[in-house]
Amino acid sequence: EVQLLESGGGLVQPGGSLRVSCAASGFTFSSYAMTWVRQAPGKGLEWVSTISGSAGTTYYADSVKGRFTISRDNSKHTLYLHMNSLRAEDTAVYYCAKVDDEADVYGMDVWGQGTTVTVSS
Amino acid sequence: QAVVTQEPSLTVSPGGTVTLTCGSSTGAVTSGHYPYWFQQKPGQAPRTLIYDTSNKHSWTPARFSGSLFGGKAALTLSGAQPEDEAEYYCLLSYSGAYVVFGGGTKLTVL
Repeated sequence: EVQLLESGGGLVQPGGSLRVSCAASGFTFSSYAMTWVRQAPGKGLEWVSTISGSAGTTYYADSVKGRFTISRDNSKHTLYLHMNSLRAEDTAVYYCAKVDDEADVYGMDVWGQGTTVTVSS
Repeated sequence: QAVVTQEPSLTVSPGGTVTLTCGSSTGAVTSGHYPYWFQQKPGQAPRTLIYDTSNKHSWTPARFSGSLFGGKAALTLSGAQPEDEAEYYCLLSYSGAYVVFGGGTKLTVL
């Protein structure tokens, strides 16, 4: 069974940094691209970033480009999102999701339960 | 950046049929946008229902189906059940990994 478990969320001050993680199991982690999606309180879903299976290619939404860095450690089956220069508008539940096809970098099939990031003084 | 539009809310009667749509500000939605549909219930993570326009996962109830219609992606629910009350989001791919979610449709079964 494919499982994704996020961790690392919490309260951080504006301008601060935080790293959230996503531990994966139940599939060949290195073969699949992985994605982060966020959801602000009471709002819809927003794509944040995607990384290829080999970690050779990364993609970012304009809203986080230059501030967030996606990475992965295939030996640990773990996906990361390093968030710098955090703003109030980054407050959201952050979901990791597995891309559904080994050959693709878009789309998701399995989602984690999410981790909450709150940016506030 | 493209804007993906969905009906803000829809209501369907139990046992009834409803179609949710997903449009693009850039023009007609095609199979090349690889439309996805997700269901999200309050307090839960999203769940993927449909991928690449009309393909279902093993966990997708048979009463859900996806298609293209009138220049939009469509999600049809035939035989609505109370447990189908949820928020539904579509997703379109515009260039590889650069994807955009729709604003969501709140579906009420009443």
